[in-house]
Amino acid sequence: DAGVIQSPRHEVTEMGQEVTLRCKPISGHNSLFWYRQTMMRGLELLIYFNNNVPIDDSGMPEDRFSAKMPNASFSTLKIQPSEPRDSAVYFCASSKDRGFGNTEAFFGQGTRLTVV
Amino acid sequence: DAKTTQPPSMDCAEGRAANLPCNHSTISGNEYVYWYRQIHSQGPQYIIHGLKNNETNEMASLIITEDRKSSTLILPHATLRDTAVYYCIVRVYSGGYNKLIFGAGTRLAVHP
Repeated sequence: DAGVIQSPRHEVTEMGQEVTLRCKPISGHNSLFWYRQTMMRGLELLIYFNNNVPIDDSGMPEDRFSAKMPNASFSTLKIQPSEPRDSAVYFCASSKDRGFGNTEAFFGQGTRLTVV
Repeated sequence: DAKTTQPPSMDCAEGRAANLPCNHSTISGNEYVYWYRQIHSQGPQYIIHGLKNNETNEMASLIITEDRKSSTLILPHATLRDTAVYYCIVRVYSGGYNKLIFGAGTRLAVHP
């Protein structure tokens, strides 16, 4: 398996533009997570999907952020309009679980977003 | 959510064992302890997890105290490639679902 695939790896955009980050989870995994990492705040959980349904979006910073998972093999995180403070590395992770038991989450390589 | 406390940084000589401590005094009976590491610019990588018993795999050993309020990750023979930030996480189980909440971690530097 190729692992969790994120695209693009790097994105530079101007303030006010729309940005869409993409994630392909590992086949067969039923949970998907979006994280954001900055020097100041570390790794923050933004949103969590289970079986394509958003379960917990309490970490989404504000209405400018939205996430979708139209099917089991694809998810997007959109920022509109983007602001310089959104500059960060965004990670997607997936796991196969529900309830107790093994929850080994696999992370993608991340998308480094720079908003100028 | 159960929180974890880790030292911000540690050093270890190459070839020696690296022992990374973690306190999780508010952990609940059904919450697992997970360890991940993040090598510079890469996504976090799963290392090991446990509930009550000590665990060992090809990467590391996890020692959990009997009261489950603390644990130690052991890298038996650290190499330069083990230089990374190590995260101790208590997996939150809520409403039938799991999520991993990362703290600040321990920055481990392995030196020759």
